[in-house]
Amino acid sequence: DTGVSQNPRHKITKRGQNVTFRCDPISEHNRLYWYRQTLGQGPEFLTYFQNEAQLEKSRLLSDRFSAERPKGSFSTLEIQRTEQGDSAMYLCASSKGLGVGTGELFFGEGSRLTVL
Amino acid sequence: AQKVTQAQTEISVVEKEDVTLDCVYETRDTTYYLFWYKQPPSGELVFLIRRNSFDEQNEISGRYSWNFQKSTSSFNFTITASQVVDSAVYFCALSEAGRAGNMLTFGGGTRLMVKP
Repeated sequence: DTGVSQNPRHKITKRGQNVTFRCDPISEHNRLYWYRQTLGQGPEFLTYFQNEAQLEKSRLLSDRFSAERPKGSFSTLEIQRTEQGDSAMYLCASSKGLGVGTGELFFGEGSRLTVL
Repeated sequence: AQKVTQAQTEISVVEKEDVTLDCVYETRDTTYYLFWYKQPPSGELVFLIRRNSFDEQNEISGRYSWNFQKSTSSFNFTITASQVVDSAVYFCALSEAGRAGNMLTFGGGTRLMVKP
């Protein structure tokens, strides 16, 4: 399978715990995105990497959230001290492009987080 | 700031009926891209189409067709002779060319239910 892969698919945690999600993009894609989708809503942009550089972060990404993409390959999204409001589907997407991008994003199946 | 509105939250049709999903967008950019994505129950967003702001030609792909009208800032999606497999949530999205990368702003989605 050469699509975008996300792990784990489901995570249930207690409030206050830390969680980490991993995304493996399509291998030749230099851009990687994280989105959050709550029930009944459209995905909301969180952050974007071009290669290993994190170029943009949404105001939705509070201090408790951190994302990395070491060596420009896979990416991790960590949420510290989880809150019930963090419960959502976390979607990863990748694309190919330089400068102003116009290409389509390829999405993974998402990682669903439930905070009890 | 950019915004995408999908006023229809849920549509229910009987198989073989035609159905149109509405999308209205707001942007200050003169160059932008519009997308439709399908999200089946599995959760993975599937790319359907991309149009750029300079190309107002309507497009048809099998049972799918798209109507882009800059004058009304609309990018509507029609499914002809709907099938049960078309049941999914459909998202319209906007990407502004003036913004580095190709981050998408999504609408809230329209849930389409096609009954046999």
